[in-house]
Amino acid sequence: DTEVTQTPKHLVMGMTNKKSLKCEQHMGHRAMYWYKQKAKKPPELMFVYSYEKLSINESVPSRFSPECPNSSLLNLHLHALQPEDSALYLCASSQELRGQGSGNEQFFGPGTRLTVL
Amino acid sequence: GENVEQHPSTLSVQEGDSAVIKCTYSDSASNYFPWYKQELGKGPQLIIDIRSNVGEKKDQRIAVTLNKTAKHFSLHITETQPEDSAVYFCAASRARGYSTLTFGKGTMLLVSP
Repeated sequence: DTEVTQTPKHLVMGMTNKKSLKCEQHMGHRAMYWYKQKAKKPPELMFVYSYEKLSINESVPSRFSPECPNSSLLNLHLHALQPEDSALYLCASSQELRGQGSGNEQFFGPGTRLTVL
Repeated sequence: GENVEQHPSTLSVQEGDSAVIKCTYSDSASNYFPWYKQELGKGPQLIIDIRSNVGEKKDQRIAVTLNKTAKHFSLHITETQPEDSAVYFCAASRARGYSTLTFGKGTMLLVSP
């Protein structure tokens, strides 16, 4: 199974709402990622979790709160978002091979299309 | 930090023609170079990758070449088909346990029947 799943596929929320995005993989990967992608742009890295611990936060505003409850699940909690946060949110995963000589294949999910009104 | 330049931004070809997309990177420590295909409304799909100890890699109609000295790598698609139409992203990554990818800006490939 080389699939990363994300729910929901689409989400519309107001600026005062609280919502969560979910991501799941069963490939045994121990590194998981959140990206934000605006139209006609490449994905922008937001967070990296390695062995369920937050390893990288790319200076993301606190209205985005990631969580990694276990090795298969990754959540992104959303609160008080702005209209400019509307985008495709992508989850990805890869092996975490400590001491490995080079980077590892990163597999993306289909994304959640988020619209903030 | 790493910077990846990708050209062209759009590429239109006739079905059956070949397509070439080129990328350059700035960080000589980068050693992993994947290519992703993204269709409309979908997430990026890894289609081929190459590591710095290899100069070329092929998978059916797709090939990637790497020139470490010049710090550039290219995607070659032969016998293009309409279903190859998509946005293609190159990326570069340094050696570490997990990958932090620096993406190029993407190339929209249009294959006309």
